[in-house]
Amino acid sequence: SQQGEEDPQALSIQEGENATMNCSYKTSINNLQWYRQNSGRGLVHLILIRSNEREKHSGRLRVTLDTSKKSSSLLITASRAADTASYFCATSQAGGTSYGKLTFGQGTILTVHP
Amino acid sequence: EADIYQTPRYLVIGTGKKITLECSQTMGHDKMYWYQQDPGMELHLIHYSYGVNSTEKGDLSSESTVSRIRTEHFPLTLESARPSHTSQYLCASSELAGALHTQYFGPGTRLTVL
Repeated sequence: SQQGEEDPQALSIQEGENATMNCSYKTSINNLQWYRQNSGRGLVHLILIRSNEREKHSGRLRVTLDTSKKSSSLLITASRAADTASYFCATSQAGGTSYGKLTFGQGTILTVHP
Repeated sequence: EADIYQTPRYLVIGTGKKITLECSQTMGHDKMYWYQQDPGMELHLIHYSYGVNSTEKGDLSSESTVSRIRTEHFPLTLESARPSHTSQYLCASSELAGALHTQYFGPGTRLTVL
């Protein structure tokens, strides 16, 4: 199965609510990144958390990383309709032949209703 | 917006035709990637390059080929398109130096083979 698996697969909330997405992975990582994809577009990098970090903030985004459980979560606070998109986690594996490559999860489709 | 461009954005073509998907970036990045993504699904790495004259196959087997004659340009070619090649193709780039491996994506090419 894939290195990164995300849940839920789809999330529907009202504007102003918080949205939480989770990502699990299998191998040791160098860092974990979250990307956003609007429908029919390319991905945009949101935030990166290194393997020795536990929590990181950027504006309304909060990312946590638990390397013992090989999992991460992305929290979007006070969501807006414009946050509607697919969100992907991606892991950069530590060393070896995977150096420099990212492995993407299957994504969470977030819909924020006005 | 990242300085990475893909053309065409949409392509509808008949079976058996040869096609080339263009990707160029102006950031001077050494590493470039091609991903294939079906609607609502995860990204699959099909090709990558560490620099000029370097090309490698990705995790998902693909009948396409790539070339890297110039740093800024990483075209993907299908010699004989088939309906099974219908998908979205995303190009990305990243810096070779450092260990963060954040990738910058183009807008994608949506290919339909009839």
